[in-house]
Amino acid sequence: DQQVKQNSPSLSVQEGRISILNCDYTNSMFDYFLWYKKYPAEGPTFLISISSIKDKNEDGRFTVFLNKSAKHLSLHIVPSQPGDSAVYFCAAFSGGGADGLTFGKGTHLIIQP
Amino acid sequence: DTAVSQTPKYLVTQMGNDKSIKCEQNLGHDTMYWYKQDSKKFLKIMFSYNNKELIINETVPNRFSPKSPDKAHLNLHINSLELGDSAVYFCASSRQLTSGQETQYFGPGTRLLVL
Repeated sequence: DQQVKQNSPSLSVQEGRISILNCDYTNSMFDYFLWYKKYPAEGPTFLISISSIKDKNEDGRFTVFLNKSAKHLSLHIVPSQPGDSAVYFCAAFSGGGADGLTFGKGTHLIIQP
Repeated sequence: DTAVSQTPKYLVTQMGNDKSIKCEQNLGHDTMYWYKQDSKKFLKIMFSYNNKELIINETVPNRFSPKSPDKAHLNLHINSLELGDSAVYFCASSRQLTSGQETQYFGPGTRLLVL
């Protein structure tokens, strides 16, 4: 049973436009969410995170939005650049638990020139 | 100055063999993890290890055993390898286990292929 879902396996966006990656979760105990970026043959690299007490966190071109009532979060990348082409994983954590991160299956973002 | 390193990067072996994957972190972190990414690209926690306390994920077969010689290392030993063990294994580390505020840093992965 997938507790973190990324329903879009891939997303194609034109360079300079906004990329929006979506993530849904089912476990209401999750209270911390992270986005990781992964290039082929490399490990996931931390991108941005958000605590459940917030609804928005911004870091440069990257913004994560959290809607707790809908159990939904999204990652916005503005403007999208060719180097953003990668697989993006949504991950969730339950503070006080020892289960590590629970990951979604990832969304492959392709930035087109 | 790699933060989390794994060796080997690629491992091809026969069914039934025993193999180990090494992981080292130079971040001074207290907690280390092993994740498995299967053919469906799903990343799943296997173990977390904090200050000599091993927390075992119940779905992991006991053929898998993590070994930590010191705080900076968490090696993964696999006995009697099976075809289904073929996957990419990622090591990760973080400062704390339960705060929920600590980012995990990942190694580059070890691609295991069991023939």
